[in-house]
Amino acid sequence: DTAVSQTPKYLVTQMGNDKSIKCEQNLGHDTMYWYKQDSKKFLKIMFSYNNKELIINETVPNRFSPKSPDKAHLNLHINSLELGDSAVYFCASSRETSHNLNYEQYFGPGTRLTVT
Amino acid sequence: SQQGEEDPQALSIQEGENATMNCSYKTSINNLQWYRQNSGRGLVHLILIRSNEREKHSGRLRVTLDTSKKSSSLLITASRAADTASYFCATVYNFNKFYFGSGTKLNVKP
Repeated sequence: DTAVSQTPKYLVTQMGNDKSIKCEQNLGHDTMYWYKQDSKKFLKIMFSYNNKELIINETVPNRFSPKSPDKAHLNLHINSLELGDSAVYFCASSRETSHNLNYEQYFGPGTRLTVT
Repeated sequence: SQQGEEDPQALSIQEGENATMNCSYKTSINNLQWYRQNSGRGLVHLILIRSNEREKHSGRLRVTLDTSKKSSSLLITASRAADTASYFCATVYNFNKFYFGSGTKLNVKP
């Protein structure tokens, strides 16, 4: 069974559209994350949720909004897509129970977003 | 910037040789983690080393941490073609700040 899954794997869309990426983990973890990996492979954390509560919110345009319906899911909504949003987006989870980062993270396979 | 910086950016070796990658950072950390990313895939956690630890092993992997030099190294012994991947270090500081470096691209030739 896949531990951290994301859908879709590929997403091609036009500028100005609104899109969502879904993430689910079956590891029983309390904390989930979203990362953006750019074309130079640099990976930057965007958001972190601990038990449905937002605990990390890096400098990300407010067009990006995470939503956590329960602790096993963390979806990423992106409004008014721009060319610069093209990247690979990774979801991850860990067994953190507090706001501290003491444990390893388990990553999903990634969603390649292409904005044309 | 707190971001860990890996060195070298790219490394090409023959199967059976050892591969060493280094990571340097700027401010005191709580822990440092190494991850592997195969092309087109997600990251896989390799080893986490805490700030009060100096060395950890996992199979053919050995990680060292020198907090006085603010650096860590990842050694892969007896490399295999399957070790070909990008390797990233990630630093945690202030307990909830988490940054990845830009990675070392390792190519192991059969």
